[in-house]
Amino acid sequence: QKEVEQNSGPLSVPEGAIASLNCTYSDRGSQSFFWYRQYSGKSPELIMFIYSNGDKEDGRFTAQLNKASQYVSLLIRDSQPSDSATYLCAVARRSNYQLIWGAGTKLIIKP
Amino acid sequence: DAGVIQSPRHEVTEMGQEVTLRCKPISGHNSLFWYRQTMMRGLELLIYFNNNVPIDDSGMPEDRFSAKMPNASFSTLKIQPSEPRDSAVYFCASSLALDSEQYFGPGTRLTVT
Repeated sequence: QKEVEQNSGPLSVPEGAIASLNCTYSDRGSQSFFWYRQYSGKSPELIMFIYSNGDKEDGRFTAQLNKASQYVSLLIRDSQPSDSATYLCAVARRSNYQLIWGAGTKLIIKP
Repeated sequence: DAGVIQSPRHEVTEMGQEVTLRCKPISGHNSLFWYRQTMMRGLELLIYFNNNVPIDDSGMPEDRFSAKMPNASFSTLKIQPSEPRDSAVYFCASSLALDSEQYFGPGTRLTVT
């Protein structure tokens, strides 16, 4: 089992709909969770980080964390074609604080 | 802030040659990370430093790879000798602390022929 797992996709969502991206992790002691967006040919770009159980909202983006179930999600409201990218989940390992990366989910927003 | 700076942006070299990649982290950041990304293997952590000290280099694939951080504002990743399978995009990232959000540089696209 990988430490951080994401569905590779592609996930196809119509423009204007909500895109839901999911990530599960194995280290129950993890405390820090991150979502990055990577456009093709570009470097990963931080979207959000979350430390506490519950929801954290930033504009059209909402991160959701459930430590009991060991998953973290990213919701994108009112999806735009410009949101089409690969979304990477990263989780900080408790033992050495190293970020462990998921393989990423490719999101396609259809106009 | 200028963000993380990497050079060169592109490097094409022949097998057997030495390659040196350079990184300038964001000022004030204490941790620096070197990653490699390929389609097949995704994003791989090679090595990371905290306060200029290498903490974990277990991700370095072979002895052909080495990294240094002589001061807080500069790091290098060297491959000697280079091989075609080293072709990838190499990213440098920095963060305030080991478990805080990382900021990536634009990457160096390395092609070894």
